[in-house]
Amino acid sequence: NAGVTQTPKFRILKIGQSMTLQCAQDMNHNYMYWYRQDPGMGLKLIYYSVGAGITDKGEVPNGYNVSRSTTEDFPLRLELAAPSQTSVYFCASSFSANIGEQYFGPGTRLTVT
Amino acid sequence: GDSVTQMEGPVTLSEEAFLTINCTYTATGYPSLFWYVQYPGEGLQLLLKATKADDKGSNKGFEATYRKETTSFHLEKGSVQVSDSAVYFCALSVPTGTASKLTFGTGTRLQVTL
Repeated sequence: NAGVTQTPKFRILKIGQSMTLQCAQDMNHNYMYWYRQDPGMGLKLIYYSVGAGITDKGEVPNGYNVSRSTTEDFPLRLELAAPSQTSVYFCASSFSANIGEQYFGPGTRLTVT
Repeated sequence: GDSVTQMEGPVTLSEEAFLTINCTYTATGYPSLFWYVQYPGEGLQLLLKATKADDKGSNKGFEATYRKETTSFHLEKGSVQVSDSAVYFCALSVPTGTASKLTFGTGTRLQVTL
């Protein structure tokens, strides 16, 4: 099993550009999550999904969009990049709704200038 | 709302020293508690967990006990190694019936030197 994979590893965007961060998992987990990690801070939940076709906002969803067309994939879209979106983005997945154990990808470091 | 407070770092220790990283929480309901570890350049990995009061989670020589009376989940290790250098995150999860949303502390960086 590859677990949770994310692409790209690094990206530099100019203000106003758009991009999609890819996330895939091969563990047949129904639950998937997107977090951002800012320096010296804990992780903040952006969006999550409880299954294909079902997504919901987390703590900091503004400026982002997600879709979940398959169980395996959960892409995160930035439409108009802003410097405040400079961060490290982590995708995660979990098997259970209530246990809280999540499996994380290696992250995407995004810089918006 | 739910929150996690953990001691600020960095924590610098010599190899074989005793480690304690404090973590306290505020939560409605009955949370599960976790310690995640992030090695340089990597994503977070679950280190240990406890799902109810008085449970002790342990893994790789690390342990933490779920203390409901003090709302704490302090991480300890008797003898740290250089390879333990990483950022450690305390987290909680309260069952919601929809998805297990983790609430993280800000992380504590541990640096172990020879």
